[in-house]
Amino acid sequence: GAVVSQHPSWVICKSGTSVKIECRSLDFQATTMFWYRQFPKQSLMLMATSNEGSKATYEQGVEKDKFLINHASLTLSTLTVTSAHPEDSSFYICSAPVRGGWGTDTQYFGPGTRLTVL
Amino acid sequence: AQSVTQLDSHVSVSEGTPVLLRCNYSSSYSPSLFWYVQHPNKGLQLLLKYTSAATLVKGINGFEAEFKKSETSFHLTKPSAHMSDAAEYFCVVSDQDDMRFGAGTRLTVKP
Repeated sequence: GAVVSQHPSWVICKSGTSVKIECRSLDFQATTMFWYRQFPKQSLMLMATSNEGSKATYEQGVEKDKFLINHASLTLSTLTVTSAHPEDSSFYICSAPVRGGWGTDTQYFGPGTRLTVL
Repeated sequence: AQSVTQLDSHVSVSEGTPVLLRCNYSSSYSPSLFWYVQHPNKGLQLLLKYTSAATLVKGINGFEAEFKKSETSFHLTKPSAHMSDAAEYFCVVSDQDDMRFGAGTRLTVKP
């Protein structure tokens, strides 16, 4: 099956620094990728839809300048948490769809990136 | 370690008939369990979640799920399917800092 990777799997940074998280589709191309955030014991929250070659679509309440998304190629989307603060500490997950026939997609998820901001 | 198994990769029902999407989990602790739905070209949407309260959980759009610890199951049901229910459904188990997704079940609704 299709594989989506994320890097790094775990990152610790100091408050005020920026952190970049990569999401790659390893054996398929993805014009769209999704970024999610999850707090412990909480549900996933969709943050934004990453679109190759165009601007990302952010969900309501998600700060565009805080969470920069770049979908530079058909296999790579990056999420940059700018000027990170402890409240940004969370589990970030990406997913990418494999397009099927008749509008059916199969969604493949990355393993997630745990961000801890000190 | 924990894991989730969605027993059917594809379920097809007729409009107006009941829906049953099966999920079994494995966890060493008392997990939180979720069902998500994803429509084409959309992100995940939370349908419902179980977090050690009532074992019968009601969610949005008429869906509900029952947590059965003895069977380690968290099956999703709906009494009457609508065409708009056609989507991919994911069962998720979450424990502390670890989260595991099922492989997904594609629900097709026939008119």
